[in-house]
This record gives sequence, structure tokens and C-alpha cells, in this order.
Amino acid sequence: QKEVEQNSGPLSVPEGAIASLNCTYSDRGSQSFFWYRQYSGKSPELIMSIYSNGDKEDGRFTAQLNKASQYVSLLIRDSQPSDSATYLCAVTPNFNKFYFGSGTKLNVKP
Amino acid sequence: DAGVTQSPTHLIKTRGQQVTLRCSPKSGHDTVSWYQQALGQGPQFIFQYYEEEERQRGNFPDRFSGHQFPNYSSELNVNALLLGDSALYLCASSKAGRTDTQYFGPGTRLTVL
Repeated sequence: QKEVEQNSGPLSVPEGAIASLNCTYSDRGSQSFFWYRQYSGKSPELIMSIYSNGDKEDGRFTAQLNKASQYVSLLIRDSQPSDSATYLCAVTPNFNKFYFGSGTKLNVKP
Repeated sequence: DAGVTQSPTHLIKTRGQQVTLRCSPKSGHDTVSWYQQALGQGPQFIFQYYEEEERQRGNFPDRFSGHQFPNYSSELNVNALLLGDSALYLCASSKAGRTDTQYFGPGTRLTVL
């Protein structure tokens, strides 16, 4: 079983819609959770981190964490074509070792 | 403010050879992590260095080794290259006490023929 599971997609949404990306993890000892965005041919960049159950909002992005269900999600409101990228979910038990999912490819159609 | 830099950008090697990849962390950062990203996959954690010591290691064989220098820069060495070692190798730097916030370098694309 992989430590982090994501649907590979692609997830296609029209411009202006809400994109919903999901991730599950296997280690109940995981403490912290992250969403990275990776454009094609580029390196990952951190867009959101969440450490406690509930929602965390940052601009058009909302991260949601449910530790009981071992589930993390990312909502992107008012999706833009520039949001088209692969979104990577990452978890860590100790901030020294990070487990990444395989990523979900998002296509935002104009 | 210089970000994370890696060299070389691309590298082609043949099976059985050895390779050294280099990383300079972002200014003010002292912790370096290395990842392997195969095509279509997420980054896989290789190891993390802090204070010139390997602090944590992922599930990679001993063929993968590293080093961190007093100026916090780091090297990743891979011996006895296999075809399956072909991947993008990413270096990420962070600051001790804030290792939750990693900044990735542009990566080194390694092709093993």
C-alpha cells in the first residue's frame, strides 16, 4: 500500500468552476499535510500546508483535513487556465521525511 | 535572493557508471533533502542532510549516498547506475525548525542508457 494515494486524473473543469482534488494517506502518525503544484517541466512549489482538522483558506485555495478518515483535499475556487498543472499531495510524520502522492493532473478549460 | 540551484541540468550516463549531482540551498537554509521523480510519478524521498549528517533516509539502496558541506551545499552520488535510475533528481532546501517549508530546485534530469 502506498503511503499517499491520489487519483491521477486528468480532472477537467471549465474556467471559473471549483476544482476538487483529493488525497488519502495510510500512516495515522502523519502530522502535517501539504499541497504542491507542479507545472509541466518544472519543479514542485508549495501552495498550502495544513496541520489540524478542518479547513484552511488562502485566497482561492482551501485545504481540508480529516485525520479520522485519513483524507486531505484541496479546493480551487474560480479556476483559471493558469491553474492547469499537476497537484501533489505530501504528508510527513516528522518534518524530516516527506511522502508524496503521484499527483492529480488538472486541466482548466477556457 | 538566490533560490535553490542544481547542477548539471541534464546528464546522460551508461549502466554501471557513477554520477554526482550537486545542490546549493536557498540563502539562509541549512537543511537539504533529495528526491527522485520518475516520469508520471511524485517525488520519492531519498535522504535529508542537516549539519553535515544524514538525518533521515528513504527506501533507497546503498548505491545512493550523499554529503553535505560546511556551506550547506550538498551532493548526491549514485553508483553502479541502472536503467531504472533514469529520473528527475530534485533537491529541496529548508531551514532548521521550519523544515515543513521546502523550496525545490529546478532538478537534474538523469538518463541512463
